[in-house]
Amino acid sequence: DQQVKQNSPSLSVQEGRISILNCDYTNSMFDYFLWYKKYPAEGPTFLISISSIKDKNEDGRFTVFLNKSAKHLSLHIVPSQPGDSAVYFCAASEGTYKYIFGTGTRLKVLA
Amino acid sequence: EAQVTQNPRYLITVTGKKLTVTCSQNMNHEYMSWYRQDPGLGLRQIYYSMNVEVTDKGDVPEGYKVSRKEKRNFPLILESPSPNQTSLYFCASTSPVNYEQYFGPGTRLTVT
Repeated sequence: DQQVKQNSPSLSVQEGRISILNCDYTNSMFDYFLWYKKYPAEGPTFLISISSIKDKNEDGRFTVFLNKSAKHLSLHIVPSQPGDSAVYFCAASEGTYKYIFGTGTRLKVLA
Repeated sequence: EAQVTQNPRYLITVTGKKLTVTCSQNMNHEYMSWYRQDPGLGLRQIYYSMNVEVTDKGDVPEGYKVSRKEKRNFPLILESPSPNQTSLYFCASTSPVNYEQYFGPGTRLTVT
């Protein structure tokens, strides 16, 4: 049973537009959520995180929204750039250092 | 420069031949993890370590061993590899400040 789900395997967006990547979770005990970006032949790199006590966190072009009642988080990238084309993983942890990752969404930003 | 290194980057081996994938970090982090990435399954945690001599199982520990004798190193050991352990493996080190994980470049393992 997957506790963290990314239901869209892929997403294409025009350059300059907004990219919205979604993630759903089932475990209400998760208290920290993170987004990672992964390019081919490289390890994932950290993008942005949010604590369960917040509903929004912003860092430059990246904003993460957390809706605890819906057990849903989303990553907004505005404006999208061709260099943002990568696989994006959301991850959740439950007060420990044990992380559960989603299966990833491949974002393609079209020039 | 903050770094996690893994060796080897690529490895092809045969069933049953013991192997070790090394992992080292230079950030003095206490917490380190091993993951495997498989198509359609994302990243799954194999083992993690909270500090020297303290390790615990992740979601998919079967067939793997780890050790943590010093803070900077966290090797992954496959005592008797099998073809279902063919995968892309990542080591990660976690910052205690914001839970950010720093990942190594990955080790692609093929077991025939």
